[in-house]
Amino acid sequence: GENVGLHLPTLSVQEGDNSIINCAYSNSASDYFIWYKQESGKGPQFIIDIRSNMDKRQGQRVTVLLNKTVKHLSLQIAATQPGDSAVYFCAENVSPGGGNKLTFGTGTQLKVEL
Amino acid sequence: DAGVTQSPTHLIKTRGQQVTLRCSPKSGHDTVSWYQQALGQGPQFIFQYYEEEERQRGNFPDRFSGHQFPNYSSELNVNALLLGDSALYLCASSQDGGTEAFFGQGTRLTVV
Repeated sequence: GENVGLHLPTLSVQEGDNSIINCAYSNSASDYFIWYKQESGKGPQFIIDIRSNMDKRQGQRVTVLLNKTVKHLSLQIAATQPGDSAVYFCAENVSPGGGNKLTFGTGTQLKVEL
Repeated sequence: DAGVTQSPTHLIKTRGQQVTLRCSPKSGHDTVSWYQQALGQGPQFIFQYYEEEERQRGNFPDRFSGHQFPNYSSELNVNALLLGDSALYLCASSQDGGTEAFFGQGTRLTVV
């Protein structure tokens, strides 16, 4: 399958450890942010989202933190598993009420070592 | 629910040719967006269709055009293909006014 991780920053973690993936966004008017996971040969898969009026949101094993002051997002994955190995993208959306035009970040390749 | 489906999965075309890619949105979704993803990069927004019209457009030349049908499915057409058009083309569907966008598995286009 294709290597969507080519040329991307890489984060290597041991199985069972926590992972933190960071993202800087560009548009201070963005009001909705999403983290996607993309496995080789597949389309992006929704993980978790957060609105700009929040600074933290938790899901199953994942937490997203939003710092609007410095325009920074992070994705925390607890107890990282081999199945978490993929490329992770943050995406920002301005005015989702008018259509979802997503602007994606560069992406981070997460490698889980056994 | 089959989710977002795209066809074909892979395609090889010659420079200068034209190509049509197809997308069926997730059941209940009325908005379709197309993205281009070059190797090693994040997806780039091409355009979005709602109510059979192009509603938003990214920074792509007029060689890229699209269509949405009454059943909400969509086509992406690229004319006069260039080597640089080689990429994974992704379709995402959503509900108008909604937030979550669901992506298909993409069509891998190779221009030789």
